Amino acid sequence: AQSVTQPDIHITVSEGASLELRCNYSYGATPYLFWYVQSPGQGLQLLLKYFSGDTLVQGIKGFEAEFKRSQSSFNLRKPSVHWSDAAEYFCAVGAYAGKSTFGDGTTLTVKP
Amino acid sequence: DTGVSQDPRHKITKRGQNVTFRCDPISEHNRLYWYRQTLGQGPEFLTYFQNEAQLEKSRLLSDRFSAERPKGSFSTLEIQRTEQGDSAMYLCASRSKTGDAGELFFGEGSRLTVL
Repeated sequence: AQSVTQPDIHITVSEGASLELRCNYSYGATPYLFWYVQSPGQGLQLLLKYFSGDTLVQGIKGFEAEFKRSQSSFNLRKPSVHWSDAAEYFCAVGAYAGKSTFGDGTTLTVKP
Repeated sequence: DTGVSQDPRHKITKRGQNVTFRCDPISEHNRLYWYRQTLGQGPEFLTYFQNEAQLEKSRLLSDRFSAERPKGSFSTLEIQRTEQGDSAMYLCASRSKTGDAGELFFGEGSRLTVL
């Protein structure tokens, strides 16, 4: 069975500070890993994805994530957070064509 | 590319009534997914289609839930005899079979409130 754990329900950072959101997954094969962002009242938007190759992947809006197979982790990072980054962030794991399984999300609050 | 559209965006109904949601995926996407999201939770998989074939259904999907994609284009999700526990956001997503594979493109969701 596939599953995702996002240990931090809520994170608050100051604008301009760095950010790391944690994601741990369980998957029986080589995983396809994703980070999505959801703003209030909006659908989910893909930030970045990992299938294979370089374990450090770059995404939109200045986000990056690192795949660590030995730790079953796919943590999301951003060096300097902007107020507009306040949203809910979801990590997901899945296959190429089948379902993706999502974590319960981390809510990011940005302090001015 | 008009994106994934869902209708209605909001539905308020009384317990015991039937409701139907519609999803129009991105036109060239052959895979279509339904998820349910409640407050404080991530999207929970319900079912998915490849073209008109329903390939997987979650065990969480009770007999009151049925989904169709008759011509491999739009899809409907019907909930019969709604219960208060069905109150949630119902998300539709589509995925391309080729190219930049893997990414789900989500609609903005249909929010159901059962009174």
